[in-house]
Amino acid sequence: DGGITQSPKYLFRKEGQNVTLSCEQNLNHDAMYWYRQDPGQGLRLIYYSQIVNDFQKGDIAEGYSVSREKKESFPLTVTSAQKNPTAFYLCASSPQGGETQYFGPGTRLLVL
Amino acid sequence: SQQGEEDPQALSIQEGENATMNCSYKTSINNLQWYRQNSGRGLVHLILIRSNEREKHSGRLRVTLDTSKKSSSLLITASRAADTASYFCAPSSYDKVIFGPGTSLSVIP
Repeated sequence: DGGITQSPKYLFRKEGQNVTLSCEQNLNHDAMYWYRQDPGQGLRLIYYSQIVNDFQKGDIAEGYSVSREKKESFPLTVTSAQKNPTAFYLCASSPQGGETQYFGPGTRLLVL
Repeated sequence: SQQGEEDPQALSIQEGENATMNCSYKTSINNLQWYRQNSGRGLVHLILIRSNEREKHSGRLRVTLDTSKKSSSLLITASRAADTASYFCAPSSYDKVIFGPGTSLSVIP
């Protein structure tokens, strides 16, 4: 089946800890995105990548890092510098930048 | 900002009625997209309308785009309880899509 997957579904972070959220797609899409969604809010863009080995900061990149070593994978690391990481994180991909996006099921990050 | 702003923020209607949501944006766009999100889930793409199109239909959905007014509308006809969700407009440039805060639609059986 083609699609986009995220893991884990729930993730718990301790104070001062870095955690990495996984995002994988087998749709052969060039572009991939990470969004943060807070309760009752819209999506805010964290990072996006239009091609392998290249990525750009979105509106709220501080405290986050990404890599794009493979076309299929775009992991997001929430670093200890992100002081308020509790949120719902959504990954998406699209054939090219600015086109229809296909979303994963999301990862809910909670701070212990 | 390219971000879309949906109006109203919340909408409650009876099953069978039509639901209309509006979106305004500020910059030029390549296309405008509408998405739906059920609670706690990822977003699902509904429809994409390009900047040179004025109206598009998909099943019970009708989308209009007025680039001179920088606005779009999403009409859901004959609503069902299953249409209860949040709806987002997403104006798009060549490299990214920016989501608005959304309209929360409740369809009462």
